[in-house]
Amino acid sequence: SQQGEEDPQALSIQEGENATMNCSYKTSINNLQWYRQNSGRGLVHLILIRSNEREKHSGRLRVTLDTSKKSSSLLITASRAADTASYFCATASSNTGKLIFGQGTTLQVKP
Amino acid sequence: KAGVTQTPRYLIKTRGQQVTLSCSPISGHRSVSWYQQTPGQGLQFLFEYFSETQRNKGNFPGRFSGRQFSNSRSEMNVSTLELGDSALYLCASSLVPTSGRYEQYFGPGTRLTVT
Repeated sequence: SQQGEEDPQALSIQEGENATMNCSYKTSINNLQWYRQNSGRGLVHLILIRSNEREKHSGRLRVTLDTSKKSSSLLITASRAADTASYFCATASSNTGKLIFGQGTTLQVKP
Repeated sequence: KAGVTQTPRYLIKTRGQQVTLSCSPISGHRSVSWYQQTPGQGLQFLFEYFSETQRNKGNFPGRFSGRQFSNSRSEMNVSTLELGDSALYLCASSLVPTSGRYEQYFGPGTRLTVT
């Protein structure tokens, strides 16, 4: 089964609004990563948050990590039409080291 | 630096055939991972290679195999293709094996269609 589960599966917002996506995972992790994928193309790394960090920022992106709840969230502020994509969280089990991706959240930003 | 390249980009095969996909990592990257992406199962880890050795393997049948060459280029092979093997196959490279500790750089993928 997938290590990460994401919520919501789909999100549609207007340009300028904020978008929040959530990811939950099952086992202990070293780090959690977020990736973006545009329409069936390769993935682009967005941000990596280590297990001892609680929050991280990169431009308009803000990621939080709560290891006690085994969950993370990705916030995109002031969204743009170009942010339309699928967003995936990825975790690696401390035991196996395999990088496991969630099912993803499909974000549509309407101009 | 050139990014991760994958060839071919699109491929159509018939059930029972075999296929070989190729991946060239970013120059200097020695770790290559392969993933299968389908609408139903999402992104699933196939295997990871580092220094020509398989370091990790996902839960796929033995029909799926791979290898890595001394120049870090990698190939994956699928034998006796089934309809369910239709997917986008993604290759990712990193400097060292990730184990989730480092970001991966993905190629554009190979879209395989099995008819």
